Amino acid sequence: AQSVTQLDSHVSVSEGTPVLLRCNYSSSYSPSLFWYVQHPNKGLQLLLKYTSAATLVKGINGFEAEFKKSETSFHLTKPSAHMSDAAEYFCVVSENSGGSNYKLTFGKGTLLTVNP
Amino acid sequence: NAGVTQTPKFRILKIGQSMTLQCTQDMNHNYMYWYRQDPGMGLKLIYYSVGAGITDKGEVPNGYNVSRSTTEDFPLRLELAAPSQTSVYFCASSYGTGAYNEQFFGPGTRLTVL
Repeated sequence: AQSVTQLDSHVSVSEGTPVLLRCNYSSSYSPSLFWYVQHPNKGLQLLLKYTSAATLVKGINGFEAEFKKSETSFHLTKPSAHMSDAAEYFCVVSENSGGSNYKLTFGKGTLLTVNP
Repeated sequence: NAGVTQTPKFRILKIGQSMTLQCTQDMNHNYMYWYRQDPGMGLKLIYYSVGAGITDKGEVPNGYNVSRSTTEDFPLRLELAAPSQTSVYFCASSYGTGAYNEQFFGPGTRLTVL
């Protein structure tokens, strides 16, 4: 079975400084990877996804992630944090659950705090 | 489009009571899902459906039931509520179920069982 590990449960940054949220995955073959964001009391929203077309993936709101097979990592970055980025972020892997069906396996989440 | 809507937003149940969490999507998606989210944990799949009349168990189905009579609706039933079912419940839908398909999530139902 595939899995993802989010290395930090909580990251705190100052507004205007870079953001780095770390995610490692385990997979026996090329994985499908996603980052979702959950703002307080809201549902999850897709930030970006890795589809094997390019290793550097750009998402919404200035976020991007780089797929590194040699390091089995898919870290999420943003050059300059904004107050509105404060949320919980989930690294997710898509896994074949039989036939043509796939299911998502979620990391435990990283809570991002942005200080003024 | 309203997307995925869930009712109620909050609910407190007593042990042994039953209730139905409602989920509706207006995107004509065939695939629908129910997850629970516990503090400090990622989402766990309870049940999913690949189309009207077809449902299957996910990772944590015990204590829950589902039905899918229409494409739009996918209610989740708790028959005998237990404190272990205190959680936030999310409904989601997707157009397909391929490796790269995005799931769209509702705003969640926060359930407390006392």
